Amino acid sequence: DTGVSQDPRHKITKRGQNVTFRCDPISEHNRLYWYRQTLGQGPEFLTYFQNEAQLEKSRLLSDRFSAERPKGSFSTLEIQRTEQGDSAMYLCASSREQGNSPLHFGNGTRLTVT
Amino acid sequence: GESVGLHLPTLSVQEGDNSIINCAYSNSASDYFIWYKQESGKGPQFIIDIRSNMDKRQGQRVTVLLNKTVKHLSLQIAATQPGDSAVYFCAEKIQGAQKLVFGQGTRLTINP
Repeated sequence: DTGVSQDPRHKITKRGQNVTFRCDPISEHNRLYWYRQTLGQGPEFLTYFQNEAQLEKSRLLSDRFSAERPKGSFSTLEIQRTEQGDSAMYLCASSREQGNSPLHFGNGTRLTVT
Repeated sequence: GESVGLHLPTLSVQEGDNSIINCAYSNSASDYFIWYKQESGKGPQFIIDIRSNMDKRQGQRVTVLLNKTVKHLSLQIAATQPGDSAVYFCAEKIQGAQKLVFGQGTRLTINP
């Protein structure tokens, strides 16, 4: 299966610690997205890359959050000085570049901040 | 696995019946729509998409209907099976943008 891969699947951290998540998109997909999902809600957009360029960031992405895609392949999402409100499922998705293409999601990283 | 959507609208159907899940979208400038299925502990799984120049699209056991006049989208699942139990989300993309905006979701429960 060459779908979107996310690591780790689960992360428990103490408030104030930094965490980093990794996403490996489908290999031929140029676009990569990060979303956040809390219980009872649909996924909320955080940021989007086309190749290595970060083209859009949501206002949800505070200055404690940073995402990179240095070589246009895998991406990392870092959260600094985690807060309990950061507890959520962090989803990565990828899509082809041309036209309207569906996003294909990974199974997410579940973050719990204690 | 962890449950997704503890307080979502719920639709219960008998196994073998047809299911219709509805979604009201928000932006008249949206030109692309997708239905996703999300099972507990997993990411959203693509089911079917439709562009705004269409009003109906069919897949395997699924049909999506788009009514742009009232900004309404529906997903019809034929001959519902136990494996169809999940939370279903509609998502819209505004013309010229790249991100998808998701609706609240509906939990579909299949009764044996």
